[in-house]
Amino acid sequence: AQKITQTQPGMFVQEKEAVTLDCTYDTSDPSYGLFWYKQPSSGEMIFLIYQGSYDQQNATEGRYSLNFQKARKSANLVISASQLGDSAMYFCAMREGPPNNRKLIWGLGTSLAVNP
Amino acid sequence: DVKVTQSSRYLVKRTGEKVFLECVQDMDHENMFWYRQDPGLGLRLIYFSYDVKMKEKGDIPEGYSVSREKKERFSLILESASTNQTSMYLCASTRQGARYSPLHFGNGTRLTVT
Repeated sequence: AQKITQTQPGMFVQEKEAVTLDCTYDTSDPSYGLFWYKQPSSGEMIFLIYQGSYDQQNATEGRYSLNFQKARKSANLVISASQLGDSAMYFCAMREGPPNNRKLIWGLGTSLAVNP
Repeated sequence: DVKVTQSSRYLVKRTGEKVFLECVQDMDHENMFWYRQDPGLGLRLIYFSYDVKMKEKGDIPEGYSVSREKKERFSLILESASTNQTSMYLCASTRQGARYSPLHFGNGTRLTVT
């Protein structure tokens, strides 16, 4: 079974609108962390935002926020006020266990296209 | 700013050749990783290293080996390249011990084996 599921292979959004990229996860470990990365066509993976399983509040970083619903095991990325430069692949990843666990489990990604 | 540098952006090699992919990071990170990325398969971990001369197998180590003689440098070696190793290879590094420590990636090496 997939531990990280990104159900939207491709998404379109109009410039300046908000968009939500879905990520559901599966773990029985009470300690885990969830990461979102962006990969533009240039190839480099860029870290966007992190949510820990014990964090009380949803993470936010500038235009990025995480809609973390622990009971539903979902950690959706919300991008507000989309820009053309947001067009990229977006990956959700999970670390199971404590922070010293070095391995991440990756989703297959969602391709986002921002239309002018 | 953390910089992870991969020595080649594109490589074309012949089947059976020994191939070296080099990665250097400049932030004194303890952990370094090699992933390969293929369409429809996502990122798969090949090997990682948590200290000089230390290494652990990832999910797909077959056909690969690694070397970490210095903290800043992590090399991926394809002992005898095969066409099914044609892929995008991503190197990453991260600090040990923080509450969370995101991976910092290089730009990737697109390897074609003919």
